[in-house]
Amino acid sequence: GIQVEQSPPDLILQEGANSTLRCNFSDSVNNLQWFHQNPWGQLINLFYIPSGTKQNGRLSATTVATERYSLLYISSSQTTDSGVYFCAVAQGGSEKLVFGKGTKLTVNP
Amino acid sequence: GAGVSQTPSNKVTEKGKYVELRCDPISGHTALYWYRQSLGQGPEFLIYFQGTGAADDSGLPNDRFFAVRPEGSVSTLKIQRTERGDSAVYLCASSSHQASTDTQYFGPGTRLTVL
Repeated sequence: GIQVEQSPPDLILQEGANSTLRCNFSDSVNNLQWFHQNPWGQLINLFYIPSGTKQNGRLSATTVATERYSLLYISSSQTTDSGVYFCAVAQGGSEKLVFGKGTKLTVNP
Repeated sequence: GAGVSQTPSNKVTEKGKYVELRCDPISGHTALYWYRQSLGQGPEFLIYFQGTGAADDSGLPNDRFFAVRPEGSVSTLKIQRTERGDSAVYLCASSSHQASTDTQYFGPGTRLTVL
């Protein structure tokens, strides 16, 4: 099956810093989502982005489908951005999302 | 409600017992998914419903696990003869399954602990 690799596994930032999280996947996809899992375990949708670029406030994401990677940018990070960020993909003909292992982000005040 | 809801939020049971976990999807969403998340890992797919039927149950680990969605809305995940290894957070998601966006929206999960 498709493999999803996220990097870095852990990231520690000072409040106000910017960061880039990466997601590599091993095959073509027709669904790619970024999630933020907060400290209470809730998975919050950030982007549905199988291709192209989207922005939402301080967050933006870019997926280059032909090169099989996606990037999540967080600017001016805040302590509330802390948590685990997951990339998940689905291939054509399948509805199931395959998740990476996540990037654990800690933003210190 | 506005989002996916799951009950109970926590369930503690003894090894060998039977448990049922419930999921209420977003109103109008035809697709419903169950995932399981172990500590420190990403969620893993269990089963997917389109309407009332299970369209893909390839993620169910064994025949102790079963799920139903009899009226195409609420779903119940059933686990027989629970084992300690079944302890995890069970997540439900739903989507409107439209061609323009297949975003899956997740509920808060049920934390299952098997003693």
